[in-house]
Amino acid sequence: EAQVTQNPRYLITVTGKKLTVTCSQNMNHEYMSWYRQDPGLGLRQIYYSMNVEVTDKGDVPEGYKVSRKEKRNFPLILESPSPNQTSLYFCASKSERVAGDTQYFGPGTRLTVL
Amino acid sequence: ILNVEQSPQSLHVQEGDSTNFTCSFPSSNFYALHWYRWETAKSPEALFVMTLNGDEKKKGRISATLNTKEGYSYLYIKGSQPEDSATYLCDLSGGSYIPTFGRGTSLIVHP
Repeated sequence: EAQVTQNPRYLITVTGKKLTVTCSQNMNHEYMSWYRQDPGLGLRQIYYSMNVEVTDKGDVPEGYKVSRKEKRNFPLILESPSPNQTSLYFCASKSERVAGDTQYFGPGTRLTVL
Repeated sequence: ILNVEQSPQSLHVQEGDSTNFTCSFPSSNFYALHWYRWETAKSPEALFVMTLNGDEKKKGRISATLNTKEGYSYLYIKGSQPEDSATYLCDLSGGSYIPTFGRGTSLIVHP
């Protein structure tokens, strides 16, 4: 089954404790992206990647890091989480080979930073 | 990076009303416009993909049109039902756009 998976789905942590949210897709997509969703603000892009070893900042990259060492994986790293990073996070992917392909979303990760 | 704008930000309608909302864009240098439906506690799901000026797509009571010359797309819902309550997002792909979303239109249909 074609899908985007994220882990963990729920996470409660404390300020300053490094964490990684994993994202994996099995559709051989070139493009992957991370978004955060906050009430009244829609989906805001954190980072995106057009292919392996190619990443770029989105609208709200501060406090986050990403890596794209393999095509299927695009982990989101919070080196020192803060309470303002409490949010719902979505990973998405799409094909760059299929012109106009839609984005496929993971199930979301709800993160709470105390 | 060119962004899309969606309006209105939120919409409250009564069951049975028909409604529409807009996705506007400053440049027609893109390959496709996408509409997504995003229900609370779920992931966004694709509704329509449109690529040509004048494109019209329909799925049940929901339809969409694309006008690349004037820089907008409309999403219409005929006879809104409570289950249509969701946030509707649009984005563009290809050309001048890195895929990114606006704030969407939050639709609430009251029984």
